Amino acid sequence: AQTVTQSQPEMSVQEAETVTLSCTYDTSESDYYLFWYKQPPSRQMILVIRQEAYKQQNATENRFSVNFQKAAKSFSLKISDSQLGDAAMYFCALHSFNQAGTALIFGKGTTLSVSS
Amino acid sequence: EAQVTQNPRYLITVTGKKLTVTCSQNMNHEYMSWYRQDPGLGLRQIYYSMNVEVTDKGDVPEGYKVSRKEKRNFPLILESPSPNQTSLYFCASSIQGATDTQYFGPGTRLTVL
Repeated sequence: AQTVTQSQPEMSVQEAETVTLSCTYDTSESDYYLFWYKQPPSRQMILVIRQEAYKQQNATENRFSVNFQKAAKSFSLKISDSQLGDAAMYFCALHSFNQAGTALIFGKGTTLSVSS
Repeated sequence: EAQVTQNPRYLITVTGKKLTVTCSQNMNHEYMSWYRQDPGLGLRQIYYSMNVEVTDKGDVPEGYKVSRKEKRNFPLILESPSPNQTSLYFCASSIQGATDTQYFGPGTRLTVL
């Protein structure tokens, strides 16, 4: 079975500082995708960043970057220069191509608070 | 404006009373999906659809039905709701599949008494 684990239910950071959110996953597939989604208080889910497993280079989107360690099955999200608008719940998600179809598996989420 | 819409946004109902939550997207996306979000459990996929007339079960399909008669619409049907289906529901769509960026609707808060 495929699983996604986010071991930090809550994290906090000060404005302008850097924070890293952890995610580990398990899959027997060699071809898969990993995602970080953000859910602010408005509840709207927004894609933050996407990583294809066959790509060795870590994905980056402005202040957001990932540390993808395929052998360790780790996919952490780094937020640099944190802003108040980054306060949200962050979900790590895994999609792999398997016989069962195209299910997307989410972790339980990490709530990030940002203080000024 | 490109968007995914869901209706209703909030619903309180009673056990056993059939209900439908509608989902519509205006982006001509092939892939649509339903998730439920529960505290401490994250999001879990209920059903998804790769195209018109093609639907498949996700992780938690029991007690739910879906249909995909048109590309833009993907309603979620609860034939006989029970209190354990009280949850926050999200519809999402993407161009072709779960590897593409998924665009989520605003969510439907359902309470079953």
